[in-house]
Amino acid sequence: LAKTTQPISMDSYEGQEVNITCSHNNIATNDYITWYQQFPSQGPRFIIQGYKTKVTNEVASLFIPADRKSSTLSLPRVSLSDTAVYYCLVGSYNAGNMLTFGGGTRLMVKP
Amino acid sequence: DTGVSQDPRHKITKRGQNVTFRCDPISEHNRLYWYRQTLGQGPEFLTYFQNEAQLEKSRLLSDRFSAERPKGSFSTLEIQRTEQGDSAMYLCASSPRTGHYEQYFGPGTRLTVT
Repeated sequence: LAKTTQPISMDSYEGQEVNITCSHNNIATNDYITWYQQFPSQGPRFIIQGYKTKVTNEVASLFIPADRKSSTLSLPRVSLSDTAVYYCLVGSYNAGNMLTFGGGTRLMVKP
Repeated sequence: DTGVSQDPRHKITKRGQNVTFRCDPISEHNRLYWYRQTLGQGPEFLTYFQNEAQLEKSRLLSDRFSAERPKGSFSTLEIQRTEQGDSAMYLCASSPRTGHYEQYFGPGTRLTVT
């Protein structure tokens, strides 16, 4: 599975847009990019997945450039409740479909 | 449907004791996963079931660990002769046959070995 690199932590303020970038230089042709969110003492929660260009859902947007060597998770107008760890995962999810998590990005939203 | 449930939520045990955790996946999901998460780290894959068949096990799953999923419904994870290094959050996740990339996680069982 392609290794990912993302910032260890980020700070933001309520109402701001937050962009978390993930590098995955060795992404393979069949790999998808998936983001999970985890609150303290809870299991991770799927946020969004994409293969190329842009994907948007009710929670976030995912921007993937043409070379797919990086991706950016965009959270619009964050609130205090968005304080969490955000994980970027890359993989083809064939067969076993096990997820490989890195260290994630700890987002702290301040009032 | 209330999602993936795990029991107990917290377990404190003494070194050398055996512990067993239970996971109830979302009812229509045929894939079930176990992960382990230590403080400050992302979850690490332990093992995976498709229906009742255990299809993959991580090297992290030593001989002291065993997992079952009888009848393809709930699953149990047993740790024998617990060690302090086993202290972690044990997470269970399930996914349907389709939409394979999205896994639904339970709240986890926090194990503390003293």
